[in-house]
Amino acid sequence: EPEVTQTPSHQVTQMGQEVILRCVPISNHLYFYWYRQILGQKVEFLVSFYNNEISEKSEIFDDQFSVERPDGSNFTLKIRSTKLEDSAMYFCASIEGSTDTQYFGPGTRLTVL
Amino acid sequence: QKEVEQNSGPLSVPEGAIASLNCTYSDRGSQSFFWYRQYSGKSPELIMFIYSNGDKEDGRFTAQLNKASQYVSLLIRDSQPSDSATYLCAVNVGWTGNQFYFGTGTSLTVIP
Repeated sequence: EPEVTQTPSHQVTQMGQEVILRCVPISNHLYFYWYRQILGQKVEFLVSFYNNEISEKSEIFDDQFSVERPDGSNFTLKIRSTKLEDSAMYFCASIEGSTDTQYFGPGTRLTVL
Repeated sequence: QKEVEQNSGPLSVPEGAIASLNCTYSDRGSQSFFWYRQYSGKSPELIMFIYSNGDKEDGRFTAQLNKASQYVSLLIRDSQPSDSATYLCAVNVGWTGNQFYFGTGTSLTVIP
């Protein structure tokens, strides 16, 4: 069964460094999403992406964040200058388009020291 | 402010009982509603979605939606210990219908 994949599974970085989290959505899906979940808290919407541009973004998704679909398969989230409070699990999800059923990847745990 | 509220629990039910999970949402423009299950350290896993007022059944799970009351619920019949997890309510809002908000989740424990 097709699935969303994410790499790396765990990323440790120093405060102020840039990180890129990678996702490969399901191949025929058209809508892509990033979420974060701080430990013990709720899943928070960051951004949705469709037709090679941002569709919606939340207040959390400020200038520190950017997304890109550099080729036909990868979907990336870049955090430019990481802060301690960016430590969280980051989930990628995708939707085919005929329904709005999201399929989540396994997540990347980001630890900022 | 787009809010999705859930009782955080924990909710404990004996094996074989019915578990009832509730969710309210603030945005009347919400289009579709989802229940996810999340095990500790794992990603959300879709259980059910519902778009229209009323009930929708899928196996042991029934989702109920009341848009007038801005309320959605999930019933789990014949609860099993493997159902022990955190249940997340999610709502699709936004003018493109492309913005999902999650509740904080309800922790369910099914006692053997």
